[in-house]
Amino acid sequence: QSVLTQPPSASGTPGQRVTISCSGSRSNIGSNTVNWYQQLPGTAPKLLIYSNNQRPSGVPDRFSGSKSGTSASLAISGLQSEDEADYYCAAWDDSLNGGVFGGGTKLTVL
Amino acid sequence: QVQLQESGPGLVKPSETLSLTCTVSGGSVSSRSYYWSWIRQPPGKGLEWIGYISYSGSTNYNPSLKSRVTISVDTSKNQFSLKLSSVTAADTAVYYCAKDHGSAWFFDYWGQGTLVTVSS
Repeated sequence: QSVLTQPPSASGTPGQRVTISCSGSRSNIGSNTVNWYQQLPGTAPKLLIYSNNQRPSGVPDRFSGSKSGTSASLAISGLQSEDEADYYCAAWDDSLNGGVFGGGTKLTVL
Repeated sequence: QVQLQESGPGLVKPSETLSLTCTVSGGSVSSRSYYWSWIRQPPGKGLEWIGYISYSGSTNYNPSLKSRVTISVDTSKNQFSLKLSSVTAADTAVYYCAKDHGSAWFFDYWGQGTLVTVSS
């Protein structure tokens, strides 16, 4: 059972906009920034969004992040087949004094 | 461009100690701005943060693994290492090393990962 809660799966058709939620608590998302990672099959995770809504260089602006209270969301617009991957949210937890990940969401492009 | 590469045995016996090393290139483990982390992923499952070490050697570990984990740094070789003691089959996972941005706790560079299987 992960400290951060994500839906196990999500799906969309090419061109669509999809969102993935990440729910936490006051000690993690409520107190610290949220980061998102994309993991393509068989590869290491890649930083997608940091500090709630910042994109590293090279990440398309189709990807965006937001945070409100103890929840965060990742939005992907103009969905493409290459977006099919697992997506993880992550945040520091002040109560645990450690980092926590969500359980991951498998995105399928139909 | 920072690059990280994990190395170590791919098979460890139950009750023994898992040892991995991460070699960093294109960056320095002596950097005061960053931490250096280990993360693992059991087959077919999600990510789990193991812990980090700073340039000065200060560490912070996942509370669930704290009693068994040691992370150390060798600045002369630009490497950092992970030791996990008393392993069981539940420790079978792909182990990643990563550059930790520090105060904002995000990983902007990752190694490719190495699978460690715990089995007799």
